[in-house]
Amino acid sequence: QVQLQESGPGLVKPSETLSLICTVSGGSVRTYFWTWLRQPPGKGLEWIGEIHNSGGSDYNPSLRSRVTMSVDTSTNEVSLRLSSVTVADTAVYYCARRVRRDSDTYDFDYWGQGTLVTVSS
Amino acid sequence: DIEMTQSPPSLSASVGDKVTITCRPSQNIMTYLNWYQQRPGKAPKLLIFGASSLQSGVPSRFSGSGSGTHFTLTISSLQPDDFATYFCQQSYSPPLTFGGGTKVDIK
Repeated sequence: QVQLQESGPGLVKPSETLSLICTVSGGSVRTYFWTWLRQPPGKGLEWIGEIHNSGGSDYNPSLRSRVTMSVDTSTNEVSLRLSSVTVADTAVYYCARRVRRDSDTYDFDYWGQGTLVTVSS
Repeated sequence: DIEMTQSPPSLSASVGDKVTITCRPSQNIMTYLNWYQQRPGKAPKLLIFGASSLQSGVPSRFSGSGSGTHFTLTISSLQPDDFATYFCQQSYSPPLTFGGGTKVDIK
C-alpha cells in the first residue's frame, strides 16, 4: 500500500523559503508524477505543480517564479521549496501521486495527510 | 486557466436521500474530470476518475456522468460516512484546477 507523508516546519517567516518533504513508502518515486497541492484554511484546493524522476516538471504559472521541486531516489522523497513567502501562502500543503489511466485521463490516487504551514512573523 | 464552477456550494440532506452535485468547466474538457471527497481535517479521497469510472474501493452508490462542459456526481442513497465536502477537478490542461467544493451536511 502506497503511503505519503509530508514533513517540514509548521511556521515560516514572511520573505523566507518554505521547504517541505514528502516521503513515499510502499512504492518507488522513480515512477509516476508527484504533485504538490495546497489548501488555505477554509478554502479550496490549488495545484502547485508536479515533477517526475526523469526531470519532467510543470508548475502553476501563478507560482512558477517561486517554486522548485525535486525527487531524491536514494531516500524515496519528493521536495517542495517555495521562496519569498507571504501570509497568502498559509495553507495545508499536500503531496499526491498522479496516475495516468488507460483512457489517457489522469488523477491523484494517493495523498499524504497534509501539513499546515503558517506564514507569520 | 479553466474555471470549474460547482453547484450548489452546500446542501442539506438526510440519510437515504439521493444527492446530485454539478460541475461546469469554463471550456470543453472532454471527460478529463475527477471527483474527490474530503472529510474535515483529512486529505481528499479520489472517488471518480475520467468523469465516470469508479475508483477501486469506492462504494457503488457513487457515480459520475457527463462530458464537455457539464458533469454530475450522484450519491444514490446518502450514508452517514458521506457527509463531507466534494470537489471536482479537471486534468485536461495545466494548471490543473478544482471546483470550489460542495459541502454536504445533515438536514
